[in-house]
Amino acid sequence: DIQMTQSPSSLSASVGDRVTITCRASQSISSYLNWYQQKPGKAPKLLIYATSSLQSGVPSRFSGSGSGTDFTLTISSLQPEDFATYYCQQSYSTPFTFGPGTKVDT
Amino acid sequence: QVELQESGPGLVKPSGTLSLTCAVSGGSISSSNWWSWVRQPPGKGLEWIGEIHQSGSANYNPSLRSRVTLSVDKSKNQLSLKMSSVSAADTAVYYCARVGALRPFDNWGQGTLVTVSS
Repeated sequence: DIQMTQSPSSLSASVGDRVTITCRASQSISSYLNWYQQKPGKAPKLLIYATSSLQSGVPSRFSGSGSGTDFTLTISSLQPEDFATYYCQQSYSTPFTFGPGTKVDT
Repeated sequence: QVELQESGPGLVKPSGTLSLTCAVSGGSISSSNWWSWVRQPPGKGLEWIGEIHQSGSANYNPSLRSRVTLSVDKSKNQLSLKMSSVSAADTAVYYCARVGALRPFDNWGQGTLVTVSS
C-alpha cells in the first residue's frame, strides 16, 4: 500500500492568512493526488484533483501543486468558511489511501 | 445533479453482517464507471473500503477483502455494501462516493453511522 503523510497535523491561522499544507506519498504517484475538505458532521468535499485541477465550484483561493511524492495545498487568503480538516488522497493505485488529515482552526 | 444517499441499520451486533445501500438519484449509475465506499471511525481519518464498476467488477482494500462484498443494481440505481463478521472496530460513518475520471471521489453521500455493539 502507498502510505500518505501530511504536515502539519494541525495549524492555527487567522482570516486572511496564507495557509500551506503538505502531503507526501511513500512512493511516486505521478500526479494522482487529490485534496478534500471536511467539516464536522459532513461528508468530505473534493477541492483539487490530479494535483492542481480545481473542482467545479471551488473558490480560486485554493490551489495545489507538486508531483511524484511531494504535494502542497495552498489557501491564498483564508476565509471563515475554510476552517476545517483537509485530507490528501492518492488515486494512483488501489488500495486508495488518505493522509491522516490537517485540522485548520483559529 | 447526482445525489447519493446511504441507508441501512444503524446498529449491528458483533459477529453479524453490516448491510448498506446507496441510492443514486438525479442520474444513472451508468453515468460513472466506478463507485466507491469509504468509512470513517468516529474522530478518525478516512479509509477506502473498495470500488465497484458499473459492470459489477470490484476492487477491495486487502485489509477488508475477506469480509466485504460490493454490488451494483442498475435496475434500482443503487449500490450495496455487505461486511461480515463485524466487530467494534467497524464502527464508523460509511460513505458511498462517485469516482471521477481521474479517480478522485467527486460526489459523496451524506454518510450513515453504523455502530457495532451488543
